[in-house]
Amino acid sequence: GAGVSQSPRYKVAKRGQDVALRCDPISGHVSLFWYQQALGQGPEFLTYFQNEAQLDKSGLPSDRFFAERPEGSVSTLKIQRTQQEDSAVYLCASSPQREQYFGPGTRLTVT
Amino acid sequence: QQQVKQSPQSLIVQKGGISIINCAYENTAFDYFPWYQQFPGKGPALLIAIRPDVSEKKEGRFTISFNKSAKQFSLHIMDSQPGDSATYFCAASPRSGGSNYKLTFGKGTLLTVNP
Repeated sequence: GAGVSQSPRYKVAKRGQDVALRCDPISGHVSLFWYQQALGQGPEFLTYFQNEAQLDKSGLPSDRFFAERPEGSVSTLKIQRTQQEDSAVYLCASSPQREQYFGPGTRLTVT
Repeated sequence: QQQVKQSPQSLIVQKGGISIINCAYENTAFDYFPWYQQFPGKGPALLIAIRPDVSEKKEGRFTISFNKSAKQFSLHIMDSQPGDSATYFCAASPRSGGSNYKLTFGKGTLLTVNP
């Protein structure tokens, strides 16, 4: 069946621009996670949704980061006024219970 | 504070050999320990996972060994193949539900299997 999909796969933004990253989870998965993966590092937790409710946003690095999942399915991670330190791969994972299934990620490069 | 420590950082193994990657954790609340495989340009793919109520779990050529008292777990890849060349991540999450299921990852091990 279809896995987790993310778009765009690559995004180049000039410093100060806003970006929006999309995640389409596996159908029926209640839980959705966003992670940030810096080059050569393991993914780090950003935020968690249970259906449409954002229950944990403790990993968001600043108030420039905002995520939503209005209908409990597709989720969008928005980064306002991008900075160079935001350059990373942004991964989305959906989960039926404990197992988390990751999408291919969006590689964001801020120039 | 790095809650999951992974070693080695890189590993080179000959085809047919055994690859061993180790992880240690600090948080005693962790009760779910998955391993992920990641190829360049791809997202992490779940390989195998273990709970602390068992000491070993095997799936095909992949085995997790778990030592609860030492707070360590390891991935063994038997009969390693060039196609296994990838970055491997261990991870852990605590027993509470909801957002507590967020994974804490190790820093990864780059495995190269030479033909």
